[in-house]
Amino acid sequence: EVQLLQSGGDLAQPGGSLRLSCAASGFTFSDFAMTWVRRAPGKGLECVSSINGPGDTIFYADSVKGRFTISRDNSKNTLYLRMDSLRVEDAAIYYCAKLQGATYPTYHFDYWGQGSLVTVSS
Amino acid sequence: QSVLAQPPSVSGAPGQRITISCTGSTSNIGAGSDIHWYQHLPQTAPKLLIYGNNNRPSGVPDRFSGSKSGTSASLAITGLQADDEADYYCQSYDNGLSGSPWVFGGGTKLTVL
Repeated sequence: EVQLLQSGGDLAQPGGSLRLSCAASGFTFSDFAMTWVRRAPGKGLECVSSINGPGDTIFYADSVKGRFTISRDNSKNTLYLRMDSLRVEDAAIYYCAKLQGATYPTYHFDYWGQGSLVTVSS
Repeated sequence: QSVLAQPPSVSGAPGQRITISCTGSTSNIGAGSDIHWYQHLPQTAPKLLIYGNNNRPSGVPDRFSGSKSGTSASLAITGLQADDEADYYCQSYDNGLSGSPWVFGGGTKLTVL
């Protein structure tokens, strides 16, 4: 059974930092791209960052580029999101998700973590 | 503003059929990218409902179906039930963006009357 177990959500001040983790099980982690998706209050889903299986191809939404860093440790089956220079508008529930598909235009998110609440406030 | 446009809300009575549209462009749906649909209930993780335009993952009832034509796609729900009340999102791949290429529509809130 595929499971994605998240940890690390918390309260941070504007300009502060947080790290989210997502521990995967039930599939060969290194074979699959992973992503972080967020949903801010009153807004829709936004794909924040994605990383391929080996970890050498990465995408970031323009809204977080230069501030967030996605990474993965395939030996620990764990995905990370380091969030620096946090802004009030980064407050959201963050979900990790597994990507499934044969090519980029077919990729979709078939399994999701339970979500991590990130609050940014002074 | 999302590159995939969805109506903010739709509603229907129990037992009825509703559709939710997702309008894209020649850089996503019109370029042949697949459309996928997700159901998002409060306090839960989003759930994959339809993938590859019209395929249902195991466990998703056949009341849910998807279609795609040109630069648009639709999700149809028949036999509407109270627990279908949720937010629904389409998702696709866009080859014209500078950031993340996987994009969601703005979401549609379904109200079961």
